[in-house]
Amino acid sequence: GDSVTQMEGPVTLSEEAFLTINCTYTATGYPSLFWYVQYPGEGLQLLLKATKADDKGSNKGFEATYRKETTSFHLEKGSVQVSDSAVYFCALSDNTDKLIFGTGTRLQVFP
Amino acid sequence: DAEITQSPRHKITETGRQVTLACHQTWNHNNMFWYRQDLGHGLRLIHYSYGVQDTNKGEVSDGYSVSRSNTEDLPLTLESAASSQTSVYFCASSERVSTEAFFGQGTRLTVV
Repeated sequence: GDSVTQMEGPVTLSEEAFLTINCTYTATGYPSLFWYVQYPGEGLQLLLKATKADDKGSNKGFEATYRKETTSFHLEKGSVQVSDSAVYFCALSDNTDKLIFGTGTRLQVFP
Repeated sequence: DAEITQSPRHKITETGRQVTLACHQTWNHNNMFWYRQDLGHGLRLIHYSYGVQDTNKGEVSDGYSVSRSNTEDLPLTLESAASSQTSVYFCASSERVSTEAFFGQGTRLTVV
């Protein structure tokens, strides 16, 4: 079945450092890809998405590009802030409208 | 503003008891989902519904049931709570997942 694999955390960075969180997927069709973020004590919220190959999703300085040839959707940010500390989930949706999540990556940013 | 709410936020129950977690959304979304979140597993789908009277099993449905009698609500019932069901439970809704899914704040359930 479809699945998502993302790098284990925690990822620990200093403020203003460059961030990459790796995500790869396995899917039989052409899924839509997402990054969701979970701040402490809250539910998940959509960070960005891409619905077809070569699309780039972006929001709040975060970016990810849908790479069909490498089945990847890596999350990047050029300069992280303490307020970016959260758990980040990569996910895909197949043609049945279900969201399938990776295991999540905790990001900790220190001043 | 439209929202999705879960209740209770925290629950402690005993092994063997029946427990129902509530989920209510005012988005008027057709799709609703229940997930559990566990360390090392991320979010796993328990049950989902595409509309009134429609329910479907997810990857970890054993020991859980749902019913959809209206658009707004999808209660999750644990028929006989087990310690393995201690977890954080999230409800979500969407018009289409390819647009955006909205999540509740979660219910932390402890089975003792």
